[in-house]
Amino acid sequence: QKEVEQNSGPLSVPEGAIASLNCTYSDRVSQSFFWYRQYSGKSPELIMSIYSNGDKEDGRFTAQLNKASQYVSLLIRDSQPSDSATYLCAVNRRGKFQFGAGTQVVVTP
Amino acid sequence: GAVVSQHPSRVICKSGTSVKIECRSLDFQATTMFWYRQFPKQSLMLMATSNEGSKATYEQGVEKDKFLINHASLTLSTLTVTSAHPEDSSFYICSATGLAGGLSTDTQYFGPGTRLTVL
Repeated sequence: QKEVEQNSGPLSVPEGAIASLNCTYSDRVSQSFFWYRQYSGKSPELIMSIYSNGDKEDGRFTAQLNKASQYVSLLIRDSQPSDSATYLCAVNRRGKFQFGAGTQVVVTP
Repeated sequence: GAVVSQHPSRVICKSGTSVKIECRSLDFQATTMFWYRQFPKQSLMLMATSNEGSKATYEQGVEKDKFLINHASLTLSTLTVTSAHPEDSSFYICSATGLAGGLSTDTQYFGPGTRLTVL
């Protein structure tokens, strides 16, 4: 079992719709969770971090964390073509960072 | 805040030469820096973790004599690819965590990456 798992996609989303990305992790003692966006040929850029159960909103992005179920999700509202990228979930597990393989999102006009 | 730079952004070299890549934290003190490698259409692969003033910790399968990492200050880490070969051609990305004001210590901020091509 991979320590951080994401669906590879591609996830095709119509422009203006909500994109929903999921990430599960295996270690219950994981402390902090991150979502990054990576455009093709570029390095990852931080979208947001989340540390507590519940929702955290930042603009069109909402991260959701459920430690009991060991999953973290990212919602992208009003998806735009510029949101087309690979989204990486990262987990801080005992001071060591683990990245998922990423979910490719394609927003279609 | 939380800006990480890398230099060079792109390098082409001949097989057998060595290449040095610099990673700098511009507006915070990077207590820990990470070096990743990414092949086309593949996920990030952590190569090593370095803390300022101490030896880097390499991931399994990464040759420490081939990929020399130095983290001499709280704002600079370097990766030297020694005797580079075509199979070392890849996208090398550094990241850093640190402390500066309200900046969380466990958020990784990435540099823009260095694309290495070995002929």
